[in-house]
Amino acid sequence: GDSVTQTEGPVTVSESESLIINCTYSATSIAYPNLFWYVRYPGEGLQLLLKVITAGQKGSSRGFEATYNKETTSFHLQKASVQESDSAVYYCALGPTGANTGKLTFGHGTILRVHP
Amino acid sequence: EAAVTQSPRNKVTVTGGNVTLSCRQTNSHNYMYWYRQDTGHGLRLIHYSYGAGNLQIGDVPDGYKATRTTQEDFFLLLELASPSQTSLYFCASRTGDQAPLFGEGTRLSVL
Repeated sequence: GDSVTQTEGPVTVSESESLIINCTYSATSIAYPNLFWYVRYPGEGLQLLLKVITAGQKGSSRGFEATYNKETTSFHLQKASVQESDSAVYYCALGPTGANTGKLTFGHGTILRVHP
Repeated sequence: EAAVTQSPRNKVTVTGGNVTLSCRQTNSHNYMYWYRQDTGHGLRLIHYSYGAGNLQIGDVPDGYKATRTTQEDFFLLLELASPSQTSLYFCASRTGDQAPLFGEGTRLSVL
């Protein structure tokens, strides 16, 4: 089946440092999956951070970036300079293309703690 | 503004208890989903639906029932709750090719 593996947390960084959260995927049932990063801030629900549907493309939001690499089956999340407000749980996910069931397969989530 | 609202936000019950989790979306979305999220696991799909009266089985359905009474409302039922069902539950809705929109979650504890 499909699977997503991401960096084991918690990840602890200091404010203004750079960040990378690794995500690799295996899409055995989907030829060209859509890839997502969701974020869950303390006390809130999951929010879509970014989505990329085309291999080779880069998505960006709130200073975060991720590039859909089909060759390495990766979708790593990066930010050049983190802020304390970025402390949250980050989930990588993959899903089918097109308007079908839209079932997403999620990674375990990576807890990010940013110290001032 | 698009929204998915879950209730209650927190629930404590005892083993063997009967629990209903509610989810309402006001987005006119066709698809609705129930996920559970546990430490060490990603979100796992319990049940989903593509319209009123429809129900599809997800990846971890054992011990759960669900019912979609209207386009807006999707309920998750635990008729004989067990401690293994202690978890954080998320509801989501989606339409077309959009990414699912999630609610804020319901934290359930089964003692």
